Amino acid sequence: AQSVTQPDIHITVSEGASLELRCNYSYGATPYLFWYVQSPGQGLQLLLKYFSGDTLVQGIKGFEAEFKRSQSSFNLRKPSVHWSDAAEYFCAVVNFGNEKLTFGTGTRLTIIP
Amino acid sequence: GAVVSQHPSRVICKSGTSVKIECRSLDFQATTMFWYRQFPKKSLMLMATSNEGSKATYEQGVEKDKFLINHASLTLSTLTVTSAHPEDSSFYICSARGPSGAGELFFGEGSRLTVL
Repeated sequence: AQSVTQPDIHITVSEGASLELRCNYSYGATPYLFWYVQSPGQGLQLLLKYFSGDTLVQGIKGFEAEFKRSQSSFNLRKPSVHWSDAAEYFCAVVNFGNEKLTFGTGTRLTIIP
Repeated sequence: GAVVSQHPSRVICKSGTSVKIECRSLDFQATTMFWYRQFPKKSLMLMATSNEGSKATYEQGVEKDKFLINHASLTLSTLTVTSAHPEDSSFYICSARGPSGAGELFFGEGSRLTVL
């Protein structure tokens, strides 16, 4: 069965600093991977996705993620965070057969001035 | 992009009553929608897969008689929490497969249910 692990429950970063959120997956074949962001009391917004091709994918709001098959990772990065980036971030993998999405447990990002 | 909308965004009800939450795809047709439940400070748990014109498929451990799902049209799926109890209080989120398929899902804004 597929699974997603986000090892960091909570990360605090200073505004303007760089950010990396970790995500490791377990899936039998080439995965479709996603990063979603959730603001408090809101639904989820897709930041970026990886289906195939270039392993470095660009997303919205200045985020990018790199797929590393050898490490089974899909880490999310941003070179300079803004206070508005404070939110919960979820990594997810989709099962091709039934298109069900499996989410990681999420990483809460706090931005300090 | 594809837009999915949920209504209501917040609902408070008394214990024992039933509550209906709607999930609509506004600018595309969705043959398949998914319902998730999110507990405080937790990830999203898939409850069921809603298929237009057929019965929903529930995940293990989800009571299908308590969480009734109806996907009556290509743009609307509803989740009815029957005989609600305080432990049903949660954040419920729906999603729909986008028009391009390929595993991409679009999410509604979520519905906060509080059962008193």
